[in-house]
Order: sequence, then C-alpha cells, then structure tokens
Amino acid sequence: GDSVTQMEGPVTLSEEAFLTINCTYTATGYPSLFWYVQYPGEGLQLLLKATKADDKGSNKGFEATYRKETTSFHLEKGSVQVSDSAVYFCALTFTGNQFYFGTGTSLTVIP
Amino acid sequence: ETGVTQSPTHLIKTRGQQVTLRCSSQSGHNTVSWYQQALGQGPQFIFQYYREEENGRGNFPPRFSGLQFPNYSSELNVNALELDDSALYLCASTPGAGGPANEQFFGPGTRLTVL
Repeated sequence: GDSVTQMEGPVTLSEEAFLTINCTYTATGYPSLFWYVQYPGEGLQLLLKATKADDKGSNKGFEATYRKETTSFHLEKGSVQVSDSAVYFCALTFTGNQFYFGTGTSLTVIP
Repeated sequence: ETGVTQSPTHLIKTRGQQVTLRCSSQSGHNTVSWYQQALGQGPQFIFQYYREEENGRGNFPPRFSGLQFPNYSSELNVNALELDDSALYLCASTPGAGGPANEQFFGPGTRLTVL
C-alpha cells in the first residue's frame, strides 16, 4: 500500500548548521507530497508542498524537491535556527481525501 | 478568522466506555478529517467528511464513527474503548471539497487516555 518512510530521529544540530531530513515514499502513481511541522503543544502546520514531479516546494528557508526517480522528497535548510526546533512530518495524498504521514522526525537546534 | 479548535484538551476514560470528541472547523471549510496520533508516531487517517457525508475512511473499525454538522463543527465518536485507543486525536479542515493540493488546517488535538 501507499506509505511514507522518514529518517529516524531525534536530530540535534547547532544553530546555523545545514539540515537534511530524508523522506521516501511508496505509491502506485504520482501523489502530491507535503512537509508538515508540529511545534510543541500545537497542531500540525503545512510547511511546504509539491504536486508533481520535479516541483520544488519552499517556505521559511526550507526546501524540498519532488524526485520521482528516487521516490523522494527530502527536506533541507541551509542554516537552522533555534526556533526551527519541532517535529517534522512528511506526507502524501492522491485525492486529498486520505493522507499518509510518516512517523515524524524530531529536530532540536542548540544555540 | 479563527483557526480549528478542538475540545476537550484532555480526557481520561476507562476501557469499554464511549467518548465523543469535538472539532470546530474554520469558517467556509466544508471538509474535515480526523486522525489518530499515537505517541511517537505520525497521524493515522481515520476518516474524512465533506458536506456531512463520509468521503473516505482509513483502516479503523466501525466503532470509530463521525458526524459533520452544517455549522462547520464535527464529532468523532469511539465506542467500546480499548487501551490502544490512547492517543492524540487531531481534526483538520480544508476549504471546499479538499483535493490533492489543498492545505489541511489542523487543530491542537485532544489527548485521550484510556485506563
């Protein structure tokens, strides 16, 4: 069935370090792909999305490129800040009426 | 514009009981989805409602049921609670009929503990 596999955490980085969180998917076809972020005590918020192959989603310095050849949607940021500390979820959907989420990757950024 | 709200924030029940969780979607959002998020896991899709009709369902038993009302509120009902039902339950609303590119707006969740 359709699924998303995320890099396991937790991830701890120093401020201004480069971030990569890996996400790969298994699906029959070409889904839309998303990254959501969950800050402590809050609900999930959409960070970025890509709806077709080779699309690049970007927001708040984060980027991810939809790679159909490697079925991947890795999240990157060139210079993380303490305020980026959160749990990051990769997700996919085909029709928008059922979303599949990965298990989440916890990121802690230390000053 | 108010966001998605959920009530209660926390809830403790015993095995075998029934529970109703509530969600108030953003105004104008006709689609609502419910998720179960176990500790340390990603959200698992329970079901989705569009204009008061079920519009998709994940791999959850029939004792998980829902309702959506015309005033953008919705309910998740769980009967015959089991210990494994302990989780954070998230509600998410989407403008219009949803769709593969539409953003879901999540509420903060209801933490259910089953003893």
